[in-house]
Amino acid sequence: DTEVTQTPKHLVMGMTNKKSLKCEQHMGHRAMYWYKQKAKKPPELMFVYSYEKLSINESVPSRFSPECPNSSLLNLHLHALQPEDSALYLCASSQGSRLATDTQYFGPGTRLTVL
Amino acid sequence: RKEVEQDPGPFNVPEGATVAFNCTYSNSASQSFFWYRQDCRKEPKLLMSVYSSGNEDGRFTAQLNRASQYISLLIRDSKLSDSATYLCVVNQPGTYKYIFGTGTRLKVLA
Repeated sequence: DTEVTQTPKHLVMGMTNKKSLKCEQHMGHRAMYWYKQKAKKPPELMFVYSYEKLSINESVPSRFSPECPNSSLLNLHLHALQPEDSALYLCASSQGSRLATDTQYFGPGTRLTVL
Repeated sequence: RKEVEQDPGPFNVPEGATVAFNCTYSNSASQSFFWYRQDCRKEPKLLMSVYSSGNEDGRFTAQLNRASQYISLLIRDSKLSDSATYLCVVNQPGTYKYIFGTGTRLKVLA
């Protein structure tokens, strides 16, 4: 089973709202990722958690706040977003070994619209 | 030079055709290579990992050329359902960073 789940599937929010995106995997993976993807562009890495610790923050604005409550869960807290933050937000996970065989599996994404 | 480069296409091919995509990478120390398929408004799905010896899965064949630093994906007997964007992904060695190419759009025509 290579399933990563994400909720919600769609989210519409105003610029003053606070919302959270959720991601879950039960593959025993120890690395989890948040990506942002705009139309006709490849995914852009935002954050990486490895063994529940933040490993990579790709200079993401503080209005995006990641959280990894345990090895299976990854959240992305959103506050005071801008319309240009509208995008598909993808979660992924991998074993976390950093070996050549470490492979990422993606969730179905949350399509976010900021009004 | 970009770390991972792909021809964005689109490649428009008739059903039954054979089509090949290349992807070049700049870091000669890279060890992990992948092809993902992404349908419109969906998530990337792993198509194949690419091994040194090359690998085949049905109509799909992936090859790695370390000397010239590129990987390739060959699709034989194209089906309408193969229409998608194909993303080349290369891991930055020893890190959790996966570098994505821009993707190559394939449209298989009836």
